[in-house]
Amino acid sequence: AQTVTQSQPEMSVQEAETVTLSCTYDTSESDYYLFWYKQPPSRQMILVIRQEAYKQQNATENRFSVNFQKAAKSFSLKISDSQLGDAAMYFCAYRKSWNTDKLIFGTGTRLQVFP
Amino acid sequence: DAMVIQNPRYQVTQFGKPVTLSCSQTLNHNVMYWYQQKSSQAPKLLFHYYDKDFNNEADTPDNFQSRRPNTSFCFLDIRSPGLGDAAMYLCATSRRDRVYSNQPQHFGDGTRLSIL
Repeated sequence: AQTVTQSQPEMSVQEAETVTLSCTYDTSESDYYLFWYKQPPSRQMILVIRQEAYKQQNATENRFSVNFQKAAKSFSLKISDSQLGDAAMYFCAYRKSWNTDKLIFGTGTRLQVFP
Repeated sequence: DAMVIQNPRYQVTQFGKPVTLSCSQTLNHNVMYWYQQKSSQAPKLLFHYYDKDFNNEADTPDNFQSRRPNTSFCFLDIRSPGLGDAAMYLCATSRRDRVYSNQPQHFGDGTRLSIL
């Protein structure tokens, strides 16, 4: 069975600095999809970034980028120039294939941002 | 803006009194999900629909039921809520698409359910 592990329950970063959140997963599939979601306190969960396993190039979205290491089954999220609004729970998630609807979530990492 | 709308935002019910939570979407997505999320935990999938096909998770209690009368609406029914069912309930949607295969899930704001 596929699993997703986020080994950092909590992280903190100073405003304007860079932080990396780690995520590893276990799968025997070769094509799959990975996501990072952000859930601010008492607010909606939103997509931060996504990566298709067949793409070697790491995805980037403005200040957010991933380091996708397929062989190591690692999918870390780097947040550059951290802002106070980045404070949230971050969930890493895995989806097996295009016709598999279910997401496998990690346990989440709570990110605090200090001024 | 296209979105996922959950009503109500907060729901209080009595122990054992049936309650229904609703979700609607304007995204025209073919998959709708219900999650239960407890404090500081990852969302736990209860069930989902792909079009009209219902998919129940093996560990979802029988107390939880769902209906999807049309593409836009999905309901979560809790037949006899217990204290352990107090949680945030999240609705999400996605589009299963072979061509654009990396479709993410879109979440609503959630309904916080309290049990008295």
